[in-house]
Amino acid sequence: AQKITQTQPGMFVQEKEAVTLDCTYDTSDQSYGLFWYKQPSSGEMIFLIYQGSYDEQNATEGRYSLNFQKARKSANLVISASQLGDSAMYFCAMRETLISNFGNEKLTFGTGTRLTIIP
Amino acid sequence: EADIYQTPRYLVIGTGKKITLECSQTMGHDKMYWYQQDPGMELHLIHYSYGVNSTEKGDLSSESTVSRIRTEHFPLTLESARPSHTSQYLCASSDLSGAYNEQFFGPGTRLTVL
Repeated sequence: AQKITQTQPGMFVQEKEAVTLDCTYDTSDQSYGLFWYKQPSSGEMIFLIYQGSYDEQNATEGRYSLNFQKARKSANLVISASQLGDSAMYFCAMRETLISNFGNEKLTFGTGTRLTIIP
Repeated sequence: EADIYQTPRYLVIGTGKKITLECSQTMGHDKMYWYQQDPGMELHLIHYSYGVNSTEKGDLSSESTVSRIRTEHFPLTLESARPSHTSQYLCASSDLSGAYNEQFFGPGTRLTVL
């Protein structure tokens, strides 16, 4: 069974500072994918960044980067130069199989971290 | 930008009513999903579909039912709504053409059952 753990229920960060959101996972699979989604107060889920278990380099997407430490089973999201618009819930999620297995495309989500950016 | 739509966005309804939450996507994705999310909590998968006439129950038991008669449409129905069904319902879709096979989400429906 999969499990995603996000230990920070809430964080307050000063605008323009960098912030790290923690995510650890538990799986016995060798092949898996890790996602981060942002959920503003409006409710929709916005895909931010992806890391495959076989990717050798940490994923980056603009101000977002993923600090992937496979041996520690952690996939922390780093947001550089935070902005007021970054205030939202952030969810880490794991997909456990390769796309070649059509039988299992489900995501398991963590409990989320509520990030508040202070002006 | 993802093209996945959910209606209604907000619904307040009395106990015992039958409701259908609509979800449509214009991306031609084969895979579609329904998640239930209580405020400030994680998402739980309640239904998914890998294509037309394919539906499966998710990890969280739900009294709702779904259908997939057309690729673009994946409605969720509650035959008799109860206060315990009060939650946000998020629809998502994906296929193999995405760079990461990520799921694209709709805006959600916030359901309140009185």
